[in-house]
Amino acid sequence: EIVLTQSPGTLSLSPGERATLSCRASQSVSNSYIAWYQQKPGQAPRLLVYGPSTRATGIPDRFSASGSGTDFTLTISRLEPEDFAVYYCQQFGGSPGLTFGGGTKVDIK
Amino acid sequence: QVQLVQSGAAVMKPGASVKVSCKASGYTFTNYYIHWVRQAPGQGLEWLGWINPNTGVTNYAEKFQARVTLTRDTSISTTYMDLTSLNSDDTAVYYCARCELRRYDSALAFWGQGTLVPVST
Repeated sequence: EIVLTQSPGTLSLSPGERATLSCRASQSVSNSYIAWYQQKPGQAPRLLVYGPSTRATGIPDRFSASGSGTDFTLTISRLEPEDFAVYYCQQFGGSPGLTFGGGTKVDIK
Repeated sequence: QVQLVQSGAAVMKPGASVKVSCKASGYTFTNYYIHWVRQAPGQGLEWLGWINPNTGVTNYAEKFQARVTLTRDTSISTTYMDLTSLNSDDTAVYYCARCELRRYDSALAFWGQGTLVPVST
């Protein structure tokens, strides 16, 4: 089973700052099968970026993703007030087929 | 626009089964895989499985293989998630989600609003 470990668990930043979120896989993952989601309280997850750097429809360009092999990164270039949320990475491959990381919470410092 | 509308909350007793529906609109139902994901209170996301709405072929996470069944009714563009032998660990919000691309292994671009299933005596 491919395990995704996200770090840090919580990131405390101010609006306007840059956020760098990490996602490490327990074994190599094709970057075509990596995706990042944002989730706010009481809402369903929202797709941000996938395979490996394509932004989903309507996602602003301050969100970008990169990485390969076992190390992947989501970057938010300048935090806006609406960006404070929980972020999940996800991979598709191997068994059990699809897994999510444990999430990184970005909160206001 | 693409929409996935799920059935309402359902309080269940231990040992019971629950069936959650997910009605799709705004696109050709049979062209895109549907996945099911759950989220326990205060926890992360956990994948249950996917269904090909065109063929009915399914694939389940090993953890849920014995207890989950995904089905679909193409006449009403609806998929269903059936989970049996419920226990308190199954208390969660259950989501359906549609793939971005016409492949089972593409990102989950559209999500239902979620269905809360509390399991309690």
